[in-house]
Amino acid sequence: ETGVTQTPRHLVMGMTNKKSLKCEQHLGHNAMYWYKQSAKKPLELMFVYSLEERVENNSVPSRFSPECPNSSHLFLHLHTLQPEDSALYLCASSRTGEAEAFFGQGTRLTVV
Amino acid sequence: SQQGEEDPQALSIQEGENATMNCSYKTSINNLQWYRQNSGRGLVHLILIRSNEREKHSGRLRVTLDTSKKSSSLLITASRAADTASYFCATVDSGTYKYIFGTGTRLKVLA
Repeated sequence: ETGVTQTPRHLVMGMTNKKSLKCEQHLGHNAMYWYKQSAKKPLELMFVYSLEERVENNSVPSRFSPECPNSSHLFLHLHTLQPEDSALYLCASSRTGEAEAFFGQGTRLTVV
Repeated sequence: SQQGEEDPQALSIQEGENATMNCSYKTSINNLQWYRQNSGRGLVHLILIRSNEREKHSGRLRVTLDTSKKSSSLLITASRAADTASYFCATVDSGTYKYIFGTGTRLKVLA
């Protein structure tokens, strides 16, 4: 266990559905991240939050909507996804942005 | 753009052998980190080397850093089947808190 918890671990959703991924950390970290990992592709940084403010939005389509209500929780709201959005979505947190990052176990998302 | 690129992309060795993987990066760094990922799981931090360090050890891991060549290497000695995983290097943009990962090396250790 890394101290970063993601739920759900697996998610199958239709293209017209709305769902949310949740990430939680109680490590006292002040930065949280969403990454997308597709087969045979490098990890793609999607969003970065530092002290609950978004500092990076890496040209992610608007069908992905992040929310960081406090420093311990991060959500990724999903709506009208496409099959190519099927991937492993990883949440991470870090203390300063220069120290090690702690990752959750990921949510395996399948869009049908 | 991808900051780091690992080499080789895939590596298959026998148990007990050493495994070496390399990482190249593009910009100035404060530190470089190595992570491990078991199939379909999250990444786990292995070791961090600062820009003023040239070599660092942790158990069976040895990391080197050459800032003049913008490259790093990870050596796993006396490999075990349990070391089978993907290994990634990462650099951090301290201004934006962005961790940028390389493309990864898939290591397979055969028992």
